[in-house]
Amino acid sequence: QQQVKQSPQSLIVQKGGISIINCAYENTAFDYFPWYQQFPGKGPALLIAIRPDVSEKKEGRFTISFNKSAKQFSLHIMDSQPGDSATYFCAASWQGGSEKLVFGKGTKLTVNP
Amino acid sequence: DAGITQSPRHKVTETGTPVTLRCHQTENHRYMYWYRQDPGHGLRLIHYSYGVKDTDKGEVSDGYSVSRSKTEDFLLTLESATSSQTSVYFCAIGGLAGNEQFFGPGTRLTVL
Repeated sequence: QQQVKQSPQSLIVQKGGISIINCAYENTAFDYFPWYQQFPGKGPALLIAIRPDVSEKKEGRFTISFNKSAKQFSLHIMDSQPGDSATYFCAASWQGGSEKLVFGKGTKLTVNP
Repeated sequence: DAGITQSPRHKVTETGTPVTLRCHQTENHRYMYWYRQDPGHGLRLIHYSYGVKDTDKGEVSDGYSVSRSKTEDFLLTLESATSSQTSVYFCAIGGLAGNEQFFGPGTRLTVL
């Protein structure tokens, strides 16, 4: 119940295209859903996050879509750029869980020029 | 890296030797976390701390111990390193009401 399942494992997109990464969860107590971006040799960095009281959050080219009834959330990267090539992790946590994050296994995104 | 340093950044050691990794923060955050990252497994929580001398186990705590004697330092110890503990280790700080976690630069540990 603590798992967050992420797909796909890898994704190749052409420059200017839309990248879509999906995550699903089981624990209905989760109330915070962040996405992290990680470049090779670096630590993960928070990209964007959402709480279940909204269905969508947009920051620049990055959008989180959240479907509470389906227990799914996704990251959309519009106008994907080669500089977006990185590994992306979804995660979830809940109040009362000592703020612990449960991570998906990651998606390696490659944006070809 | 949000005022988080990890040391050492790289370490090669032999099976059976003790290893201690250090995480130092300058942000005065209450919560600190140790994760390991392995291909195909993502980030897995080893141990975490919710205050000085207050620690608890995470998902993959076997073979690891932690200590936190000061707010700014969180130590991860492998009492007797094994090859299965070859990994990249990340420290993170944060949580609180915002739930955000900020990660350090990582330590690459190789156990031969």
